[in-house]
Amino acid sequence: DAGITQSPRHKVTETGTPVTLRCHQTENHRYMYWYRQDPGHGLRLIHYSYGVKDTDKGEVSDGYSVSRSKTEDFLLTLESATSSQTSVYFCAIKLGVNTEAFFGQGTRLTVV
Amino acid sequence: DQQVKQNSPSLSVQEGRISILNCDYTNSMFDYFLWYKKYPAEGPTFLISISSIKDKNEDGRFTVFLNKSAKHLSLHIVPSQPGDSAVYFCAAMIYSGGGADGLTFGKGTHLIIQP
Repeated sequence: DAGITQSPRHKVTETGTPVTLRCHQTENHRYMYWYRQDPGHGLRLIHYSYGVKDTDKGEVSDGYSVSRSKTEDFLLTLESATSSQTSVYFCAIKLGVNTEAFFGQGTRLTVV
Repeated sequence: DQQVKQNSPSLSVQEGRISILNCDYTNSMFDYFLWYKKYPAEGPTFLISISSIKDKNEDGRFTVFLNKSAKHLSLHIVPSQPGDSAVYFCAAMIYSGGGADGLTFGKGTHLIIQP
C-alpha cells in the first residue's frame, strides 16, 4: 500500500460545513495527489503537490483547497461542502516524476 | 473533452478464456500508459504499464498492446480467473514532460469473469 493512510475512511457531513480529509504517507515521497471517483467519470485529479508548500490545481479543483506543510501529510479541504462533492476521494503518491502512482484506500464522503 | 476513453462499461468473460479490455486516447502528447485494477471499497492498484517506444509489454497473464498510430491500447488477460473480476482503469501521462502532473484516467470497464 506504499505506506498511505487516508482518514477518515467514511464521513457524512451537512451542506455548507467545512470538511478536511487527510492523507498521510510514511516514506517521504515528494509527489502526492488527490483524486475523486464518481460513477461514469472514472478518477479525476483535484489537486497535487510536488513538495512542501508546493501545490497545483488539477482538472476538478473548484470548491477544493489543499495544504502540505509537512512532507508526510497532504490535506484536502472542502471549505463549504455541497452535495455535488459527495464522492469517493483517493490520495495517491508517486515514487518519482515518471513512475506509476500508488493509491490509498479511499475516503467515502457523503454530503447531505 | 475526455482524453482517455474506455467505451465498454462492462465485459463478461468465461473463466479460462481471454479477456480483452480496450482503451483509446486523443492527446498525442501522452507517451506512457498504465492499467489499474480496482476492487470495491479498495484503492486502485497498479497492474502494468507501457511506454510509447514499445508496442507490447507482458507480465505473467497480463499483456498490454499499444498502437500509437491508432491511439489505441488494449489489455489482454490470459487465462481469465475469478479473481480478475474488478473494474479496470486505463490511464495515461506525459512521461517526457518531467513534471509532477497526475494521471488522466478513463471511466473504467467492469470485468466480470463467469465460472
